[in-house]
Amino acid sequence: AQSVTQLGSHVSVSEGALVLLRCNYSSSVPPYLFWYVQYPNQGLQLLLKYTTGATLVKGINGFEAEFKKSETSFHLTKPSAHMSDAAEYFCAVSDRDRGSTLGRLYFGRGTQLTVWP
Amino acid sequence: SAVISQKPSRDICQRGTSLTIQCQVDSQVTMMFWYRQQPGQSLTLIATANQGSEATYESGFVIDKFPISRPNLTFSTLTVSNMSPEDSSIYLCSVVLVAGELFFGEGSRLTVL
Repeated sequence: AQSVTQLGSHVSVSEGALVLLRCNYSSSVPPYLFWYVQYPNQGLQLLLKYTTGATLVKGINGFEAEFKKSETSFHLTKPSAHMSDAAEYFCAVSDRDRGSTLGRLYFGRGTQLTVWP
Repeated sequence: SAVISQKPSRDICQRGTSLTIQCQVDSQVTMMFWYRQQPGQSLTLIATANQGSEATYESGFVIDKFPISRPNLTFSTLTVSNMSPEDSSIYLCSVVLVAGELFFGEGSRLTVL
């Protein structure tokens, strides 16, 4: 089975600072890769995904992530944090070559982002 | 995208009782899943809800504890049976609309006393 590691369960940044949330996966075959955001008392919302093509993926709210196969990483970044970015962020992977498990995601443990004024 | 509605959004239940959570999607979807998010934890897949047949459960989850129905392509229910405080979690319904991409409902927050 896949495993997903998110380094740092809590990340704190000042408003306007760079946001970097780290994610590494275990598969030897590049999977589909996702970042989801969960605001307090809400469900999960897809920020961005990588399936194929360009390795730098842009998502909503100014976030982007880069797939690095050599590092088995898919770190999430945003150049300038905003107060409204405070939320929990989940990295997830899905097997690429197993049609019967399409949509079955393996999630990291999440990173809580705090943004200070 | 799709509109995924879950009911109830939250509930407080007594130990030993059962609760059924409903998931309604505003379009027909082939693949529907139920996830659990325990306090401070990540999401864990409980089962795949199959239309017209028995759900497919992940390791550690059994039908007697989490019976699932999927009568059509827009609706599913998850029952949490004989609840204990360890069942206190957020239960999320999710669907696949685009290959490999999951959309989630807002979740049902369950507290068991």
